[in-house]
Amino acid sequence: EAGVAQSPRYKIIEKRQSVAFWCNPISGHATLYWYQQILGQGPKLLIQFQNNGVVDDSQLPKDRFSAERLKGVDSTLKIQPAKLEDSAVYLCASSLTLGTPRDEQYFGPGTRLTVT
Amino acid sequence: QQPVQSPQAVILREGEDAVINCSSSKALYSVHWYRQKHGEAPVFLMILLKGGEQKGHDKISASFNEKKQQSSLYLTASQLSYSGTYFCGTEPGNQFYFGTGTSLTVIP
Repeated sequence: EAGVAQSPRYKIIEKRQSVAFWCNPISGHATLYWYQQILGQGPKLLIQFQNNGVVDDSQLPKDRFSAERLKGVDSTLKIQPAKLEDSAVYLCASSLTLGTPRDEQYFGPGTRLTVT
Repeated sequence: QQPVQSPQAVILREGEDAVINCSSSKALYSVHWYRQKHGEAPVFLMILLKGGEQKGHDKISASFNEKKQQSSLYLTASQLSYSGTYFCGTEPGNQFYFGTGTSLTVIP
């Protein structure tokens, strides 16, 4: 089965510019996650969707970050305007569903963002 | 809310054993473990539930002390392929928090 797809793999932008990342989860997976992983740290959950609804976005900096999952499949994460501290790898993950406990998460290869 | 792991880093020779610990300040229903190799995405290893149920990797074992809100990952007879950074994950409420990470290096 195909894994989680993300694009682009690398992106370099200047501060104050905008950027968007795309994620296509594993087919049939209802739950989709966006994480931010700063070098040397563990991934930090930004937002999680169940189908096309937001389950939790409490750690998403909403003044500059936005995310959507139209039609409950693909998702886009946007940063506008970017700051230097946004430099990180942005990981998308999906799981079959969001139960208690949650299912194992399958991660995409990530997008490495460098803000100069 | 982020669970704390220890040690931060460990170097082993092939065949040696290691224990990685994860401690949370919040009551836990479950603990997840992931491994991330350099430049790659995290990969699921196992999940431990209250009551002792486990699901995951055949060659890696772990324990979960619900009262102490701690989990330990046991890597026995380590192989070169075990190298990477290990993260525990906890889920208080709707959130999911990865731990601080433990870097494991296995050398020949």
